[in-house]
Order: sequence, then C-alpha cells, then structure tokens
Amino acid sequence: ELKVEQNPLFLSMQEGKNYTIYCNYSTTSDRLYWYRQDPGKSLESLFVLLSNGAVKQEGRLMASLDTKARLSTLHITAAVHDLSATYFCAVGETSGSRLTFGEGTQLTVNP
Amino acid sequence: ETGVTQSPTHLIKTRGQQVTLRCSSQSGHNTVSWYQQALGQGPQFIFQYYREEENGRGNFPPRFSGLQFPNYSSELNVNALELDDSALYLCASSLEWWDTQYFGPGTRLTVL
Repeated sequence: ELKVEQNPLFLSMQEGKNYTIYCNYSTTSDRLYWYRQDPGKSLESLFVLLSNGAVKQEGRLMASLDTKARLSTLHITAAVHDLSATYFCAVGETSGSRLTFGEGTQLTVNP
Repeated sequence: ETGVTQSPTHLIKTRGQQVTLRCSSQSGHNTVSWYQQALGQGPQFIFQYYREEENGRGNFPPRFSGLQFPNYSSELNVNALELDDSALYLCASSLEWWDTQYFGPGTRLTVL
C-alpha cells in the first residue's frame, strides 16, 4: 500500500525567509502533485511532476521530484504572508487511479 | 468555462440516515473522483468514475456508493450514516483519469 509522508507538519516562518517542505512516498509512482488549501476552502492545484528530475516553478514556489529517492520537495523563497495555507502532496498509483495524499504541511508566515 | 461545482455546501444528518451529494465536472472532463477529508487530515480516496464506470475504489465500505451520468456529473451516496462520516466531501474532475484533478468547493457533512 502506498504511503505518503510530509514533513514538517507545521511550519512557522518569517517573511523573507526560505524553507523546504519534504514529501516522501513508499512505492514507485509516475505522478506527483502539490496542492494548496486555505482554511475552510477546497484544494487548488499548484504543480504536477511526471518524471525524474522534473522541476516546476511558479512565483515564490518551486517543486522538484526525485523518483529514485521517492522524494519531492516544495521550496519556498522569500516567504510572504499570502503563502500561509496548508500544502499537500499527492502521489498517483502506477497504472491506477488512486491519489494518496500526505497529511499536509500547515504553513504560517509571520510579518 | 465553469469549474467543478458541488451541492449542497453544508448538510446536517442524523445517524442511520442516507445522504446524496452531487458534483458537476469541469467542462470536457470525463473523470470524477470523490474524497473524504476529516478535520486536520489529508483527503482520502473513496472512488473514481471514468466514462460512467467505476475505475478504482479506496478502503471505504459498500455503504459508500456512486454514480456517474452521461453528462459526466456524479453522485456520492452514503447509507446508514455513522458519526465518523462527518467530514468535508470533495469531488475532483480531470480530463482523463491520469490527468491533474481539479477540486470542487466541497460539501461539509455533519452527522449527529
């Protein structure tokens, strides 16, 4: 059974600082997604990573994938308050429909 | 182009009752997936429908059932509600079953 672990689960950081969220998964997969969720809201798609070494960037967020290490990272550069949210990684089964989500990382960016 | 919509937004039921939640997919998407998200946790996969057929199921009992219609809208039915069924229910649509899933706003179900 595919297991997905994120760390840290809680992250409090100051504006302007950099940090990385890690997503480890237990079995081979060919697709990994990052989503953002604001309190009481639904999930917003941020990135989809489909191959080893894939890197995607949008604004202050950059995601990467290492399929050999079964590891994805979400790097935050020069954090701003608007990035405060919960971030989830989700891993797709190989040749299957199920997405397995991590527990989420609750990010708070303080002024 | 409209996004994924769900109804109702909130629902309160009592234990033992039955509930039907509805989802309209994003235009052109033939796949819908349903998830249960308990407070403070990540979404858990319930099942997926692809072109009106079930295309995968998570670890949920048979009292969780679904349908997908020819227009690719979908229903989630839950029978014999239990207190632990209280959660946010999310549906997500995608162009094909392997594509990025786009989530609706969710239905908050409370079971008393």
